[in-house]
Amino acid sequence: ESVLTQSPGTLSLSPGERATLSCRASQSLNSRALAWYQQKPGQAPRLLIYGASSRATGIPDRFSGSGSGTEFTLTISRLEPEDFAVYYCQQNGRPPWTFGQGTKVEIK
Amino acid sequence: EVHLVESGGGLVQPGGSLRLSCAASGFSFNTYVMSWVRQPPGQGLEWVSTISSTDASAFYADSVKGRFVILRDYSKNTLILQMNSLRVEDTALYYCAKGGRQMDEELDYWGQGTLVTVSS
Repeated sequence: ESVLTQSPGTLSLSPGERATLSCRASQSLNSRALAWYQQKPGQAPRLLIYGASSRATGIPDRFSGSGSGTEFTLTISRLEPEDFAVYYCQQNGRPPWTFGQGTKVEIK
Repeated sequence: EVHLVESGGGLVQPGGSLRLSCAASGFSFNTYVMSWVRQPPGQGLEWVSTISSTDASAFYADSVKGRFVILRDYSKNTLILQMNSLRVEDTALYYCAKGGRQMDEELDYWGQGTLVTVSS
């Protein structure tokens, strides 16, 4: 089982700042199978990034993903008020598919 | 437009059973991988189960293996999760999610979830 560890647990930033979220895998992953999701309170998760670096339909270009192997990063170039939420990475390369524990991006 | 609507959640005693359904529309249901993901109150996401488009393969988290069964009703475009021998730790919001055509693709659409509470 590939365990995903996200850091930091909480990121306190101001609107307009840059956010860098990390996802580390316990085993090397096929980059095709690394995704990032955003979840706001009371809402279902929303796909942001798939294949480690491809933006899903309708996702603004301030969101970008990078990485390979065991180290992956989600970057939000300039935080908008609607970006304050919890972010999860997920690997779906081979079962069991796993999620990271999440990073909360909160307003400083 | 893709729509996924879950139903069937509720309060059940430990050891009981529940059958969750997910009505799918807006896409070719028999072509895509489907999954269940759960979220305990105040906690993170946990993958539960995935079924291939052809029913040839089904996978389960160790925490539910042998107790839960994932099924597809092609005639009704419905994904099902039959949950037996429920435990308190199964309490969660259960989401239905659409995958890609292959097993190793992302979950691109999610329902709003149905709440399962296991308590005496």
